[in-house]
Amino acid sequence: KQEVTQIPAALSVPEGENLVLNCSFTDSAIYNLQWFRQDPGKGLTSLLLIQSSQREQTSGRLNASLDKSSGRSTLYIAASQPGDSATYLCAVDPGGYNKLIFGAGTRLAVHP
Amino acid sequence: DTAVSQTPKYLVTQMGNDKSIKCEQNLGHDTMYWYKQDSKKFLKIMFSYNNKELIINETVPNRFSPKSPDKAHLNLHINSLELGDSAVYFCASSRDPNYGYTFGSGTRLTVV
Repeated sequence: KQEVTQIPAALSVPEGENLVLNCSFTDSAIYNLQWFRQDPGKGLTSLLLIQSSQREQTSGRLNASLDKSSGRSTLYIAASQPGDSATYLCAVDPGGYNKLIFGAGTRLAVHP
Repeated sequence: DTAVSQTPKYLVTQMGNDKSIKCEQNLGHDTMYWYKQDSKKFLKIMFSYNNKELIINETVPNRFSPKSPDKAHLNLHINSLELGDSAVYFCASSRDPNYGYTFGSGTRLTVV
C-alpha cells in the first residue's frame, strides 16, 4: 500500500532563505508525482508535475526532483518570499488507478 | 475562466439533513474526482468518474452518492449527514494522469 510522508511538517524561515521540502513514498512504482500549494481556505494550485521517467522539473524559483528508486522527491524553493507562505502538498499517482495519494503537507511560513 | 468550479464554497447544515455539492469543469477533461480533506488536512480520494462512469469508489459510505450528468459535471449528494462528515470536499479533473490534476477551490462542509 502506497504511503506518502512529508518532512518537515512545519517550517518557519526568514525571507530570502533557500528551502528544501521533502517527500518520500513507499512504493517506487509510480506514474508521476505532483507538488501542490494550498493557501488557507483555498483550493490546490499545481506547482510542478514530474513524470516517472523524469528526474526534475523547474518553474521560476521552484525546482522539484524525483528519485524513484529511493522513493524520494524534494521541492527546492530559492530566495523565499513571504508570499510563499502556504502548505505544500506532495502527491503520487500510483498509475492505473486514476487517483492521487497525498502526503500530509509541509506548512511553510516565510517572515519578513 | 474558472477551470474547476464548485458550489457552494461553504455549507453549514444540521445532522440528518441531505445536501448536494456541485462541480463543473470547462477544461474538456474526461475524468473527474471527489477528494475529502479531513481535520488533519489529509486529502483522500472518494470517487472517480470517467466519461460519466464510476471507476473508483474508495469505501465511502453509501450515504454519499456521486452523480455525473455529463463529463463536465460531477455532483456529490450526501444523505443523512453526520458530524463526522464535516470536512473540506475538493473536486478535481484530469485529461490524462500524465498531464496531472486540476483542483477546485473546495467546499467547506460543517455539520452541526
